[in-house]
Amino acid sequence: DGGITQSPKYLFRKEGQNVTLSCEQNLNHDAMYWYRQDPGQGLRLIYYSQIVNDFQKGDIAEGYSVSREKKESFPLTVTSAQKNPTAFYLCASSIIGSGGNEQFFGPGTRLTVL
Amino acid sequence: SQQGEEDPQALSIQEGENATMNCSYKTSINNLQWYRQNSGRGLVHLILIRSNEREKHSGRLRVTLDTSKKSSSLLITASRAADTASYFCATDARGNQGGKLIFGQGTELSVKP
Repeated sequence: DGGITQSPKYLFRKEGQNVTLSCEQNLNHDAMYWYRQDPGQGLRLIYYSQIVNDFQKGDIAEGYSVSREKKESFPLTVTSAQKNPTAFYLCASSIIGSGGNEQFFGPGTRLTVL
Repeated sequence: SQQGEEDPQALSIQEGENATMNCSYKTSINNLQWYRQNSGRGLVHLILIRSNEREKHSGRLRVTLDTSKKSSSLLITASRAADTASYFCATDARGNQGGKLIFGQGTELSVKP
C-alpha cells in the first residue's frame, strides 16, 4: 500500500522546546517538501529536498531545520527559534520530470504550542 | 511567496448546481494544478493542465487555462454534498527548480444538500 505518512497527528509543545515531525514515503519519489498551513490560508513552503543529503530553504525556513539521510524520510524539526509555530504541517513528495510534478500529500500534523 | 490568487474565497451552492472557481497567477508557468483539501486533511491532486493546453476534463471536473490572461478556472458540474472542501490552485513556474509549486489561498466550497 503505497503512500506518504506523517506522525504524530497531533503534537503539543511547550515554549522553548524543539519538536520533530516525521514524514515517510514509500512511493520511491526523489523530491520531498514541507509546508505550513495557517487557518483559512494556503500552503507556504518551509523546506524541500530533491535528492538524499541535499535540501533547500523555502519561503519561511527561519526557525525550522530538516535532514534527508534516506530517500524515504524527511523529518522536520521546529526549533525554539520559531516564534509562532502553532499551525498545520503538511509533508508531500513528487517525481521530478517532464511528466509533471503532481505532489502527493500526507495527512498532516497539527502542532500546538502551550 | 504566494503566486496564485483565488476567487471567490468562499462559495456556497445547492446540490446539483455547478461550482466555478478562478485562479490568477503572475509568472510564466510549465503547468497549473488543482488540489482539494477536506477539513483537517492533506491535499489530494485533482487535475494538471500544461501551459500548451487550454482545456481539460476529468469526470465532473473541467479546467481551463488562459496563459495570455494568466488565469485558470475549475468547474465542478452537478455538485454533491461530498464535494464540500477547500480547493487550491498551484503553479509550477517556468525556470523553477526542484518541482516546487506555489499554492493559492484557496476557495472554500460548501455544497448544501
